Amino acid sequence: QVTLRESGPALVKPTQTLTLTCVFSGFSLNSAGMCVSWVRQPPGRALEWLARIDWDDAKHYDTSLKTRLTISKDTSKNQVVLTMTNVDPVDTATYYCARIRYYGFDSFDIWGQGTTVTVSS
Amino acid sequence: DIQLTQSPSTLSASVGDKVTITCRASQSISTWLAWYQQKPGKAPKLLIYKASILEDGVPSSFSGSGSGTEFTLTINSLQPDDFATYYCQLYKSYSYTFGQGTRLEIK
Repeated sequence: QVTLRESGPALVKPTQTLTLTCVFSGFSLNSAGMCVSWVRQPPGRALEWLARIDWDDAKHYDTSLKTRLTISKDTSKNQVVLTMTNVDPVDTATYYCARIRYYGFDSFDIWGQGTTVTVSS
Repeated sequence: DIQLTQSPSTLSASVGDKVTITCRASQSISTWLAWYQQKPGKAPKLLIYKASILEDGVPSSFSGSGSGTEFTLTINSLQPDDFATYYCQLYKSYSYTFGQGTRLEIK
């Protein structure tokens, strides 16, 4: 069974760096064709894709947030980490990690439950 | 960036109805479009990928069609569990974009 679970701080202050961790099971990020992404959803709003990391350590970012985001993986721990620098209240959202459809690359087939982050002083 | 326009933003329907949600892309994306269902407080659930392929375990009452710039999600014979928010999502050049969502509510 494939599962993903996000964790991170519930509250961060403006200008701080946010670090989110996704722990997954049921698949390996060492397997060719496997990728994991981060997606967020501000309260009452639509989903927004943030970043993707691939089995070969290739990384892809939303162009508007690229300068603030870093995605990394630790395959020995089955973890993917997303850092976002210089957070602002507009970054308040539920953050999801999701597996990308194996060798399809086009959609997100398994999602974590999400972790809610509030940016406020 | 390619834009996705989803319509309507809200749809009122009754159990047993057939409904259609439309997603339009600002440029051709072939069939690189997916549909998701999201219920309040829950993560999205993949329903359809590559415009028309039903994800495993999704009821056959859901169907998708389209290519290029215009796509539709159809739900036949609405069930109480189908009332939720639906999102389309495109994939192009290592980037993903979601539509603004359609809230399907009980009439």
